Amino acid sequence: DAGITQSPRHKVTETGTPVTLRCHQTENHRYMYWYRQDPGHGLRLIHYSYGVKDTDKGEVSDGYSVSRSKTEDFLLTLESATSSQTSVYFCAISDAPGGVTNTQYFGPGTRLTVL
Amino acid sequence: GENVGLHLPTLSVQEGDNSIINCAYSNSASDYFIWYKQESGKGPQFIIDIRSNMDKRQGQRVTVLLNKTVKHLSLQIAATQPGDSAVYFCAENYGGATNKLIFGTGTLLAVQP
Repeated sequence: DAGITQSPRHKVTETGTPVTLRCHQTENHRYMYWYRQDPGHGLRLIHYSYGVKDTDKGEVSDGYSVSRSKTEDFLLTLESATSSQTSVYFCAISDAPGGVTNTQYFGPGTRLTVL
Repeated sequence: GENVGLHLPTLSVQEGDNSIINCAYSNSASDYFIWYKQESGKGPQFIIDIRSNMDKRQGQRVTVLLNKTVKHLSLQIAATQPGDSAVYFCAENYGGATNKLIFGTGTLLAVQP
């Protein structure tokens, strides 16, 4: 998984509780991404980061926030979890050496269940 | 593991046959395309990529073809093996320097022994 770890790998929580998922990389890549994957929807971008403290929204960002205080860590927070946020969450990383677009490499995923 | 293939188009092939998985992409300005393989319970795994200045690229047992005229990608897998059974996604780059991708919904490849 290209030097990417996600924690926790599984979590069950209750509606209304805060949840933070962590993505950690050892590749020193500039870009990091959070996706969710649901049947029938494929992978959808939640938020992404293009550098330390530089983040932006993806297509499904409502109810989520992110932070990146250092290159290797990208945190995804659900401030008040809802059942609609039950999903599998994937972190990805990429780099663009010389400004050339490059592939994204994915972590193993976190399965989140909100009861 | 999770069945990420629920409601997906399915391609069923015999072991040893060649497989062709197709993908239509959406943005004529996209300049970079990737194929991923996802096994049940795992994250997507990079297979092969191609840039828009090429129309064919070969890897080990895999070939990607790009037809920009009709915005179509295909992934060919030679001598398909049971270990190739997975969901396959195409992705196109639309975000320029931020490397943002748009993913297709995927095709489930089922290899019959």
